[in-house]
Amino acid sequence: LAKTTQPISMDSYEGQEVNITCSHNNIATNDYITWYQQFPSQGPRFIIQGYKTKVTNEVASLFIPADRKSSTLSLPRVSLSDTAVYYCLVDRGTYKYIFGTGTRLKVLA
Amino acid sequence: DAGITQSPRHKVTETGTPVTLRCHQTENHRYMYWYRQDPGHGLRLIHYSYGVKDTDKGEVSDGYSVSRSKTEDFLLTLESATSSQTSVYFCAISAGSSYNSPLHFGNGTRLTVT
Repeated sequence: LAKTTQPISMDSYEGQEVNITCSHNNIATNDYITWYQQFPSQGPRFIIQGYKTKVTNEVASLFIPADRKSSTLSLPRVSLSDTAVYYCLVDRGTYKYIFGTGTRLKVLA
Repeated sequence: DAGITQSPRHKVTETGTPVTLRCHQTENHRYMYWYRQDPGHGLRLIHYSYGVKDTDKGEVSDGYSVSRSKTEDFLLTLESATSSQTSVYFCAISAGSSYNSPLHFGNGTRLTVT
């Protein structure tokens, strides 16, 4: 199973751009990278998914370098409501999804 | 939001008693999952199902069993609950075609074993 490593926690201020990097050194050719967001007392929810280069949606951007051994979730102009835990997941297509410990983002006023 | 209902939402039980948690989906998705979440451990996969009557173990399956007799229902059973099984349990579903088929989670069941 592809193991991921993320910073345990990050602090940011409102209005700043936040970048959370995930390391996945043993990613395989067919693996996808998926990010989830979890608010307190709720289940995680899907944010964005990508295979290579850059993916952008209405919530975030995902940057994946050519070697794909890492990925960076970028949240533009965060607000207090972006305070959450963010999980990086490498999807091997085996349907056995193993989560890491995630990154706890705290947005300060 | 994906149609996932977990029941009960909260339960308090005594050590040694059996407990069954239910996950019900209305999406007709093939894959269903049970996770537990504890402080400092993130989400840990207990069991998952890839079809009716087809299940497999996750990372922390000891002390748990599952059953899936219908596409829409995935049951998690603690045969004899222990205090170490006090946790928040999340059910998740996926259509299972990998890309563009992310996991969708329920709102969780908070289980306390006294």
